[in-house]
Amino acid sequence: SAVISQKPSRDICQRGTSLTIQCQVDSQVTMMFWYRQQPGQSLTLIATANQGSEATYESGFVIDKFPISRPNLTFSTLTVSNMSPEDSSIYLCSVDDGLAGTSYNEQFFGPGTRLTVL
Amino acid sequence: SQQGEEDPQALSIQEGENATMNCSYKTSINNLQWYRQNSGRGLVHLILIRSNEREKHSGRLRVTLDTSKKSSSLLITASRAADTASYFCATDSGSARQLTFGSGTQLTVLP
Repeated sequence: SAVISQKPSRDICQRGTSLTIQCQVDSQVTMMFWYRQQPGQSLTLIATANQGSEATYESGFVIDKFPISRPNLTFSTLTVSNMSPEDSSIYLCSVDDGLAGTSYNEQFFGPGTRLTVL
Repeated sequence: SQQGEEDPQALSIQEGENATMNCSYKTSINNLQWYRQNSGRGLVHLILIRSNEREKHSGRLRVTLDTSKKSSSLLITASRAADTASYFCATDSGSARQLTFGSGTQLTVLP
């Protein structure tokens, strides 16, 4: 399975500022995703990070708030912009090296970034 | 919103007992995956079961899938204190490989 790292592992930020989270994979993967886990909740998909093109965002998430980059097949960043206390969550990236339309590839997650906004 | 629900929301058992968690979902799926999360950290992948499979084993884990009832169960046998964690099911139902997560079960195994 792919080994995934995230930076930073945690951060405490002031409202109104922005934080960029990095996700690095030890092998080339087809698909990378970003999820949010609010305190005590399950995971919600923010967007699919597409290599070489704009990310595909889920309902309720917009590019101005959560800009995403994916410059190559092993790296992606998620920025949480103009933060408010409601953005306090764990942000996780995940990877899937299967092809779209296949059904038998596991999806693996990074260790997460715990963000607290004051 | 979540694809489905998990029950129970919380489960507390003694070491050595078996733990069963259930997951229900709403739409047709390609596969279903189970994950473990310790204390708000990253997710550990446990097992994937495809829509055409009915049962799968991995060590002390046994997963069943009933697509007619849109439900799955995760059984952990001979539980250990180290199994204490939150367990999530996640379904893959489209061509885009995105996962939709259940609400999770918090398992506590008492020594």
